[in-house]
Amino acid sequence: ETVMTQSPATLSVSPGDRATLSCRATQSVSSDLAWYQQKPGQAPRLLIYGAYIRATNIPARFSASGSGTEFTLTISSLQSEDFAAYYCQHYNNWPPTFGQGTKVEIK
Amino acid sequence: EVHLVQSGAEVKKPGESLKISCQGSGYRFTDYWIAWVRQTPGKGLEWMGAIYPGDSETRYSPSLQGHVTISADKSITAAYLQWSSLKASDSAMYYCARLGSYATSPIDPWGQGTLVTVSS
Repeated sequence: ETVMTQSPATLSVSPGDRATLSCRATQSVSSDLAWYQQKPGQAPRLLIYGAYIRATNIPARFSASGSGTEFTLTISSLQSEDFAAYYCQHYNNWPPTFGQGTKVEIK
Repeated sequence: EVHLVQSGAEVKKPGESLKISCQGSGYRFTDYWIAWVRQTPGKGLEWMGAIYPGDSETRYSPSLQGHVTISADKSITAAYLQWSSLKASDSAMYYCARLGSYATSPIDPWGQGTLVTVSS
């Protein structure tokens, strides 16, 4: 099973600042990597798939990069609605697995 | 618009059986895999398995195989997750979610979740 590790666990950021989240896989997952956003009391929502492709209706301030084992999600200018938990997930092999999440909180 | 609507919250005792459902709409139900994912405060998001309603091919996470059963009824565009004997450790939020035409696909969208509480 491929283990996904996210860092940091918590990120304190001021509104308008940039946030950079990391995700690492224990083996190559090529570009089969997705990022999800989850707000309290809600189901996760797809932000990014294919390592860097924004999902439908996702604002351009969300960008992502990486391939193989190292991936990054960047939120260029944090808005109030962006404070949430973010999860990476690979879907390269079975079973797909998730990282443990990064909580982005208001500084 | 694609929607996945799940059945309501459940409170059960250890040893009881349970079947929760996920109703799909707004797309061709038989053409996309449906996954089940559970979420707990301690273990985070955990992939349980998936089913292709077109032919009922099912794949389970190795760590959960044998403890749950995933099924689907394409005639009513519904997928199911069931337990024959619940444990307290099954207490979690359970999400159904649509994948692509492959079992290894990103998830979009997710259902609203079904909270299962198992307690004596």
